[in-house]
Amino acid sequence: EDQVTQSPEALRLQEGESSSLNCSYTVSGLRGLFWYRQDPGKGPEFLFTLYSAGEEKEKERLKATLTKKESFLHITAPKPEDSATYLCAVQAIGNAGNMLTFGGGTRLMVKP
Amino acid sequence: SAVISQKPSRDICQRGTSLTIQCQVDSQVTMMFWYRQQPGQSLTLIATANQGSEATYESGFVIDKFPISRPNLTFSTLTVSNMSPEDSSIYLCSVGGFQETQYFGPGTRLLVL
Repeated sequence: EDQVTQSPEALRLQEGESSSLNCSYTVSGLRGLFWYRQDPGKGPEFLFTLYSAGEEKEKERLKATLTKKESFLHITAPKPEDSATYLCAVQAIGNAGNMLTFGGGTRLMVKP
Repeated sequence: SAVISQKPSRDICQRGTSLTIQCQVDSQVTMMFWYRQQPGQSLTLIATANQGSEATYESGFVIDKFPISRPNLTFSTLTVSNMSPEDSSIYLCSVGGFQETQYFGPGTRLLVL
């Protein structure tokens, strides 16, 4: 059974204080690992897809990396508008590969 | 990415009643998915809806409780039947091709009293 665990559950940062969010996963065969951002009362907004160990992707202050067991979302010099819940999900290879298995999310709060 | 809308955006319902949630996409898509997000929780897949075939339900979800329609390639509905307070959640639809990135709608907030 595919499993995704995110840590920490909640993270408070001061504006400009860089940090990382962790996503540990177990999956039979990884097709892709996805990062989403979710603001309160809204649907998840797609950020990145990572397909293989060693892959990195960047978008503004966010950088996602992937190993065979975990992914990190690095936030550099965050701003208050980066406050949101960040969700990690995995998709397995094969017939069940349509399904996304989500972690519990990390609620990020950035104070000015 | 596709533009996805859901109706209603929120609703308050009485227990024992049913609510049908609509999901509309601005382009034709192969697969549509329905998720539930209970308060303070992450997303759980309810079912996958392909046009022209029966929806495929995940463990713990049954057709009698969550009937789904997929009449064409841009539209789907999810009905939450015989509701109880435990059904209070955000219901989300998403779209994506086979083993492709999924994009989500804005969600429907349901409160059952």
